[in-house]
Amino acid sequence: DQQVKQNSPSLSVQEGRISILNCDYTNSMFDYFLWYKKYPAEGPTFLISISSIKDKNEDGRFTVFLNKSAKHLSLHIVPSQPGDSAVYFCAALTTGANSKLTFGKGITLSVRP
Amino acid sequence: GAVVSQHPSRVICKSGTSVKIECRSLDFQATTMFWYRQFPKKSLMLMATSNEGSKATYEQGVEKDKFLINHASLTLSTLTVTSAHPEDSSFYICSATAGGRQETQYFGPGTRLLVL
Repeated sequence: DQQVKQNSPSLSVQEGRISILNCDYTNSMFDYFLWYKKYPAEGPTFLISISSIKDKNEDGRFTVFLNKSAKHLSLHIVPSQPGDSAVYFCAALTTGANSKLTFGKGITLSVRP
Repeated sequence: GAVVSQHPSRVICKSGTSVKIECRSLDFQATTMFWYRQFPKKSLMLMATSNEGSKATYEQGVEKDKFLINHASLTLSTLTVTSAHPEDSSFYICSATAGGRQETQYFGPGTRLLVL
């Protein structure tokens, strides 16, 4: 049972435009959501996160939006840069005892110069 | 940011042999380390959580006798795949956290295991 879903395997955008990466989840008990970026042959690196009590968190070019009623979150990158080309993982977390990160399958973003 | 290393980065072994993968936190003390496995086109799946000096906690469906985890120090955890089979071929990745907080995990670069 895939509790965190990234239904699009890939996305290609032009440099300077906006990249929107989507993520859906099924477990209403998740109370923290994170985005990780992964380059080939490297481990995932933390990008941005959002608590379930918020609907938006912004950090420079990266903004994460959370729609709890729709169980949907999205990562916006604007303006997109070629160096943003990587695999992006959405992850969710329940805090407290037995908490663990649950990852989506990832989406490959390609930013064309 | 914090650095986590894994060794080896890639290993090929024969079926029936055992393989040890090391995970090290290079510039911080990791009270908790996590081991994940990722099959092609699949999510990273948590295999087990290890706390320094205590037994690892395995996720449902993960055989603890097959995937031996040792977290003997605050900077080193090892995963040993015993009696490896071709279906164990996968990408194994570790992460570490200093304060045990899941949201502050630092990931290693991963180890690609191929069992022939």
